[in-house]
Amino acid sequence: QKEVEQNSGPLSVPEGAIASLNCTYSDRGSQSFFWYRQYSGKSPELIMFIYSNGDKEDGRFTAQLNKASQYVSLLIRDSQPSDSATYLCAVRKGGYSTLTFGKGTMLLVSP
Amino acid sequence: ETGVTQSPTHLIKTRGQQVTLRCSSQSGHNTVSWYQQALGQGPQFIFQYYREEENGRGNFPPRFSGLQFPNYSSELNVNALELDDSALYLCASSLGSGEAFFGQGTRLTVV
Repeated sequence: QKEVEQNSGPLSVPEGAIASLNCTYSDRGSQSFFWYRQYSGKSPELIMFIYSNGDKEDGRFTAQLNKASQYVSLLIRDSQPSDSATYLCAVRKGGYSTLTFGKGTMLLVSP
Repeated sequence: ETGVTQSPTHLIKTRGQQVTLRCSSQSGHNTVSWYQQALGQGPQFIFQYYREEENGRGNFPPRFSGLQFPNYSSELNVNALELDDSALYLCASSLGSGEAFFGQGTRLTVV
């Protein structure tokens, strides 16, 4: 079982729709959770982080965390073609420990 | 712009050679982590430095080594390059266990 799993996609949504990206993790010691966006050929860009169960909203983005189910999701409302990218889920156990990434989900938003 | 700068941006080396990649961390950040991202994969943790000491290492052979300097900048050295070392090498800086921000990456091609 991989530590962080994501559906590789592509996930295709029309412009203006809600895109839902999902991530599961195996280590119950994971304490913090991150979503990065990565455009082709570029480096990952931090867009959201969440530490507590529940929802966290930032503009068009909402991160959801359910530690009991070991599940993290990212919702993107009013999706735009510029949101087309690979979205990486990453988890961290805490302290100065490092990030463990999933393989990423490719999102395609069509005009 | 994350304030994390990596050099060079692209590099071509021959199998068996050695390479040094450099990273300047964001101002005020004291922790630097290095990741390797192969095509189509998520970033894989190589090692992390906190206040000039290595405090975590991923599943990479000893020919991957690093340094962190008093100004918190860092180097990644790879000896005896292999074809499979071809990847995007990412440096991330953070303030301790805070959010990690990536530089633009170094694309290494080994021929």
